[in-house]
Amino acid sequence: GQNIDQPTEMTATEGAIVQINCTYQTSGFNGLFWYQQHAGEAPTFLSYNVLDGLEEKGRFSSFLSRSKGYSYLLLKELQMKDSASYLCAVILLGDSSYKLIFGSGTRLLVRP
Amino acid sequence: ETGVTQTPRHLVMGMTNKKSLKCEQHLGHNAMYWYKQSAKKPLELMFVYSLEERVENNSVPSRFSPECPNSSHLFLHLHTLQPEDSALYLCASSQDASGTYNEQFFGPGTRLTVL
Repeated sequence: GQNIDQPTEMTATEGAIVQINCTYQTSGFNGLFWYQQHAGEAPTFLSYNVLDGLEEKGRFSSFLSRSKGYSYLLLKELQMKDSASYLCAVILLGDSSYKLIFGSGTRLLVRP
Repeated sequence: ETGVTQTPRHLVMGMTNKKSLKCEQHLGHNAMYWYKQSAKKPLELMFVYSLEERVENNSVPSRFSPECPNSSHLFLHLHTLQPEDSALYLCASSQDASGTYNEQFFGPGTRLTVL
């Protein structure tokens, strides 16, 4: 089976830095996505990692270690609007296409 | 309209009803997806369509029947659903389904309640 683990909830303070971890045990690996989902809204793309290392994109960075089956999303200079769920998803090869397998998501609450 | 749209946004139906969910993408993509999002559970892939052909069916019960008449439209026909089918149903699209860089663009979802 496929297993993707993330913490259920995290709390952080406005202006701080927070790291959201994701570990995966999957049959195959073709890349990893992070999505952000505000309550009642569609998930939106944040980052994509396929090689080991850090990808930086403004206030958000994502790290991948394929040998450890581990990724994290780093959010800097937290803002209130960053309160949302953060979804980790691994790309696997299905029967005839690539498909995303999602973790349960981490709900982040940013406090003033 | 831009992006991925879904209608209706909310739907309440009885177990004997038949209803359909509609998804439309305005991005020129070739692949479309249906996902189910239940409370406290991961997003679950249901179906994948590539160039109007179904390429993945993730062991979804036959009471869910997808239809993709063209690359811009995707439907999910519902009949004799169970209360445990109540969830948020999300549609997504991507450029294609054959590449590993598979950034998907999601619609806002249909919140379905089965009574």
